[in-house]
Amino acid sequence: DAGVIQSPRHEVTEMGQEVTLRCKPISGHNSLFWYRQTMMRGLELLIYFNNNVPIDDSGMPEDRFSAKMPNASFSTLKIQPSEPRDSAVYFCASSWGTGGGGSNQPQHFGDGTRLSIL
Amino acid sequence: GEDVEQSLFLSVREGDSSVINCTYTDSSSTYLYWYKQEPGAGLQLLTYIFSNMDMKQDQRLTVLLNKKDKHLSLRIADTQTGDSAIYFCAEITPGNTPLVFGKGTRLSVIA
Repeated sequence: DAGVIQSPRHEVTEMGQEVTLRCKPISGHNSLFWYRQTMMRGLELLIYFNNNVPIDDSGMPEDRFSAKMPNASFSTLKIQPSEPRDSAVYFCASSWGTGGGGSNQPQHFGDGTRLSIL
Repeated sequence: GEDVEQSLFLSVREGDSSVINCTYTDSSSTYLYWYKQEPGAGLQLLTYIFSNMDMKQDQRLTVLLNKKDKHLSLRIADTQTGDSAIYFCAEITPGNTPLVFGKGTRLSVIA
């Protein structure tokens, strides 16, 4: 079975550039989550969608971050303009859940995108 | 608000048992999870326990839940070098909320 697929696996770019991270959730899952992981702050939930609708984006750090889910099989997380402090591993996860994961169905994670902003 | 706490590091010798502890604050938690993260990979679900259970065993893994003290533990028997990873505790509560994760415990297994 295909799991959550993220691309690219690694991204290195200069500050000020636009960065787009992509995620394909597991087919049939209706909730999608974007996380950021750093040594200092651990795993942070940035935003999550249910049935393609953003439910809570309170974790998005700044207006430079935006996320979309145009259909059930694709989501993007965009950073524009990027800054060195955005360097982190970004994870996408999906699950089958009602209204954002309130069930016993666990989240399945992709392998992440390691982002380095120079 | 909800909070999940874990110790950051644990070091054990190969063949010994590992016990990773977690405390949480929300008494309405319905399910509690343990995830494992190996280097360069995403989080992988190891096991979970429903809040009305005290214990769950799955091969080398034993999960203990003390709901009164809001304490969850993961015991790994006969720890192997392949068990070296970061282990995350997470809880979910009723309603439209996603998982709340702890900061993770880095387990190092010494050969």
